[in-house]
Amino acid sequence: AQTVTQSQPEMSVQEAETVTLSCTYDTSESDYYLFWYKQPPSRQMILVIRQEAYKQQNATENRFSVNFQKAAKSFSLKISDSQLGDAAMYFCAYRSAGGQGGKLIFGQGTELSVKP
Amino acid sequence: EPEVTQTPSHQVTQMGQEVILRCVPISNHLYFYWYRQILGQKVEFLVSFYNNEISEKSEIFDDQFSVERPDGSNFTLKIRSTKLEDSAMYFCASSYPTNEQFFGPGTRLTVL
Repeated sequence: AQTVTQSQPEMSVQEAETVTLSCTYDTSESDYYLFWYKQPPSRQMILVIRQEAYKQQNATENRFSVNFQKAAKSFSLKISDSQLGDAAMYFCAYRSAGGQGGKLIFGQGTELSVKP
Repeated sequence: EPEVTQTPSHQVTQMGQEVILRCVPISNHLYFYWYRQILGQKVEFLVSFYNNEISEKSEIFDDQFSVERPDGSNFTLKIRSTKLEDSAMYFCASSYPTNEQFFGPGTRLTVL
């Protein structure tokens, strides 16, 4: 069974600085998707970024980028120019690529605080 | 922009009572999901639903739980006899045609 591990329960960053959140996963599958979701205090789950395992190029969405290391089964999220609104719980998630309707498997989450 | 909606936002119930949580997925989506998040813990998959039947369910999704798509827009999660440990945030999500799952705002269920 696939597992997702986030080893940093809490992280802190100064406003305008850069922070990297770590995620590792375990799978025997060769094709899958990885996601980062943001959960602000409202507890809404918001998709931040996605990565297809077959793509070597790291995904980027504005200030958010990932470092996907398939051999190491690592999928870290980099937030550049951190803003106060980035403060939230961040979850890494895995999904098998077979079919369209696969479940998401989440990590334990990393609570990010942003200091002004 | 289309979004997943859920009602109610907060439900308080007595142990042993039945509750129905409601979701309206994004209209052109075909896959529907329920997840739950006990306070302070990670989000856990409960069940996925496609073509009017369950496509996958987790160990959590026992006989006390059921899902239904009673019409073309709603997707419901029923808990037949609630327990204290069912207190959690319940998220509905939907997907297709892309692989992203879009989440609703959640229903906070409190069982007393």
